[in-house]
Amino acid sequence: IAGITQAPTSQILAAGRRMTLRCTQDMRHNAMYWYRQDLGLGLRLIHYSNTAGTTGKGEVPDGYSVSRANTDDFPLTLASAVPSQTSVYFCASSDDGNNEQFFGPGTRLTVL
Amino acid sequence: GQNIDQPTEMTATEGAIVQINCTYQTSGFNGLFWYQQHAGEAPTFLSYNVLDGLEEKGRFSSFLSRSKGYSYLLLKELQMKDSASYLCAVMDSNYQLIWGAGTKLIIKP
Repeated sequence: IAGITQAPTSQILAAGRRMTLRCTQDMRHNAMYWYRQDLGLGLRLIHYSNTAGTTGKGEVPDGYSVSRANTDDFPLTLASAVPSQTSVYFCASSDDGNNEQFFGPGTRLTVL
Repeated sequence: GQNIDQPTEMTATEGAIVQINCTYQTSGFNGLFWYQQHAGEAPTFLSYNVLDGLEEKGRFSSFLSRSKGYSYLLLKELQMKDSASYLCAVMDSNYQLIWGAGTKLIIKP
């Protein structure tokens, strides 16, 4: 693979269910990010990680958790999904915190 | 609070020039980015400005005035494939990107 991959591409989920969105990059970038994109709003940062082993909260972290066990993977977990978490989720990475970010193809999540 | 403003939608003609404006109010400034996003796809990087002035890259140019909190993206010789949303984003004092809602650019033949 080259770049960032996300899985699944799309998912329909019942409210209350647990869900993990996967993100893997092979560019050896230190920093990784999770965003959600909703119609009429800008991308909003959920969580980020500046390097393996560290994570931080973004603008809209409630209801989400992340882990960064290694450089390549940065999964996002919804512990108990709610309809307001219906969105398109993008994972991104950068080789440094202040450089351009490279985005994965996105996961379209619908919570019913 | 932090705020990025850009027009919601613009229409232009193939072969013409269009300027997409972005104004910002953020806590700190560590650079301004422009991204292109085609419908249903991921954003892709277009340009980065951290100093005042114009950065030119082929048909695309980006301008920054830090004192005015203002940037624009200039697209020349428009092609149909330029139909997309253009996202303005500012890196704040915490090195986090604050994103505008995007400008949908419609190109007509």
